[in-house]
Amino acid sequence: GQQLNQSPQSMFIQEGEDVSMNCTSSSIFNTWLWYKQDPGEGPVLLIALYKAGELTSNGRLTAQFGITRKDSFLNISASIPSDVGIYFCVVYSSASKIIFGSGTRLSIRP
Amino acid sequence: NAGVTQTPKFQVLKTGQSMTLQCAQDMNHEYMSWYRQDPGMGLRLIHYSVGAGITDQGEVPNGYNVSRSTTEDFPLRLLSAAPSQTSVYFCASSSGRLTDTQYFGPGTRLTVL
Repeated sequence: GQQLNQSPQSMFIQEGEDVSMNCTSSSIFNTWLWYKQDPGEGPVLLIALYKAGELTSNGRLTAQFGITRKDSFLNISASIPSDVGIYFCVVYSSASKIIFGSGTRLSIRP
Repeated sequence: NAGVTQTPKFQVLKTGQSMTLQCAQDMNHEYMSWYRQDPGMGLRLIHYSVGAGITDQGEVPNGYNVSRSTTEDFPLRLLSAAPSQTSVYFCASSSGRLTDTQYFGPGTRLTVL
């Protein structure tokens, strides 16, 4: 079936570092989204991308929709402790099907 | 607004038991959906509804039933629970279409022994 490959699976960072993660697929999708899940809670939408090549920012977060429509990346600048959580890329297939990536788990190094 | 609420927060069942996971939203959203999240994985769509009286299957519908008699409520039924259904279940709603922002509930952690 259709799959989204997220990398890295997990990462440990120092507070203040910049973070980069990406999401790739073998299929073309016309909408890419990034959600964040805090521990014990449901996911929350961070950024939505609707146009190939689009670069969108939301505060310290920046995401880009790849020109091939098969990938997207998410950058977080100057990380802070509340950035800890799991980041999911999400796409929509035909017939109202939604696909989540397996997630990138972000932790802060003590 | 309470947003999307789910009950119960935790549940333990024995194999073969039945139960209903409740989901309600007070945002007058047309679209509602149910997901399960297994360890180390993303969410997978179980069933969804585009409005009262209309439901459809998602990626992993087997073993689950849904109904949508009102705009506000979208219960998920397990008719005969199996250990493979041990998971965290999330309900979500969005205003109109699947591609609109989805608002997730806090989840129900279900264990089937």
